Amino acid sequence: QVQLQESGPGLLKPSQTLSLTCAVSGGSISSESYFWSWIRQPAGKGLEWIGRIYTNGRTNHNPSLKSRVTISADTSKNQFSLKLTSVTAADTAVYYCAADLIVFGGALARHWGQGTLVTVSS
Amino acid sequence: DIVMTQSPDSLAVSLGERATISCKSSQSVLDSSNNRNYLAWYQQKPGQPPSLLIYWASTREFGVPDRFSGSGSGTDFTLTISSLQAEDVAVYYCQQYYTTPMYTFGQGTKLEIK
Repeated sequence: QVQLQESGPGLLKPSQTLSLTCAVSGGSISSESYFWSWIRQPAGKGLEWIGRIYTNGRTNHNPSLKSRVTISADTSKNQFSLKLTSVTAADTAVYYCAADLIVFGGALARHWGQGTLVTVSS
Repeated sequence: DIVMTQSPDSLAVSLGERATISCKSSQSVLDSSNNRNYLAWYQQKPGQPPSLLIYWASTREFGVPDRFSGSGSGTDFTLTISSLQAEDVAVYYCQQYYTTPMYTFGQGTKLEIK
């Protein structure tokens, strides 16, 4: 079973860049079985898809985050990363990485990391 | 964007009773080319990440008890728990994946024991 674990700083100041890494075990991020997403959840609120990286390195992201999002992968370490620039308090959330299963053109978040809380505060 | 709206926001049901959660999408998530509804349900227990319960509106994920069932098509969907157990206390989210690469979730329904 694929397992994921997020890591990264938990406290940022406004305007800084959020950087998180997701370590994957039980499967290779280079395989075609899954693709790799970031999802976030502000405290007491719902889930927001941030973006995804595919096996070929192509990425997609939520248009609501405009050009602040960069997702990359390091196949040698079997991990993928998220960078979110110019953070504000509105970016305070639990950030999850997930393994997406693509079936008939639709993506399902089948496996999730435990999540990591990122707080943006001056 | 497709907006997903769940009702109710919270629900209290007695143990052993039926729980029903509704999810409506702002536009159809039925792909007529394959007759599949791109609608999933997730369960999030306190302090845990969400876990996939149901996809294609009615297909249970591996290991999900058969007291969980999903139904509906087009824009209107329902998650039913036929006999509520204590371990079912959670927040439930519907998700549309019709607009993959992007998917969107409902706001969640908090299910508690009465």
